[in-house]
Amino acid sequence: EVQLVESGGGLVKPGGSLRLSCTVSGFTFNNAWMSWVRQAPGKGLEWVGRIKSKSDAGTIDYAASVKGRFTISRDDVENTLYLQMNSLEIEDTGIYYCTRYKNGNYYFDYWGQGTLVTVSS
Amino acid sequence: DIQMTQSPSSLSASVGDRVTVTCRASHGISNYLAWYQQKPGKAPKLLIYGASTLQSGVPSRFSGSGFGTDFTLTISSLQPEDVATYYCQKYDSAPLTFGGGTKVEIK
Repeated sequence: EVQLVESGGGLVKPGGSLRLSCTVSGFTFNNAWMSWVRQAPGKGLEWVGRIKSKSDAGTIDYAASVKGRFTISRDDVENTLYLQMNSLEIEDTGIYYCTRYKNGNYYFDYWGQGTLVTVSS
Repeated sequence: DIQMTQSPSSLSASVGDRVTVTCRASHGISNYLAWYQQKPGKAPKLLIYGASTLQSGVPSRFSGSGFGTDFTLTISSLQPEDVATYYCQKYDSAPLTFGGGTKVEIK
């Protein structure tokens, strides 16, 4: 059974940092392209960024709204995806979902349950 | 960037009704369009990709159509368990973009 389990969310002040983790099981993580998608309270979905597999050069791309502040990385030994978030803004508040791309296509066949990040003073 | 516009933003229909949700892209995206269902308090779930291909395990009352800029998601016979918000997503190129969502309720 495929599982994606996020952790690391919480309350942080504006300008602060937070690192999210997503531990996966049930599939070969090192072959998978992975992504983070977020959802502000009561709002729609926003793609945050993506990391390809190392065999596909491990290319990383970010949404313009987070570029330069957020960093995506992966540990293929620990089967874990990370999202390092720096210089957090109130607008970064929301649920952050870890997602898997389906077979190298740019849509998502598995989602984690999400972890809540609240940026507030 | 290509914008995705969904309509309506919400709808209310009776059990057994045929329901249609529309998604329009600001520029052509071929058939690079996916649909997701998000039930309250849950993560989204992939329903359809390639504009019309049903994801494994999704009930056959769901269907998708369209190409280029105009797409539709149809529920042929609305069931109580279909109460959710539905999102389209274009994936032809970065940035990946979602529509604003359509909330479907039971009348």
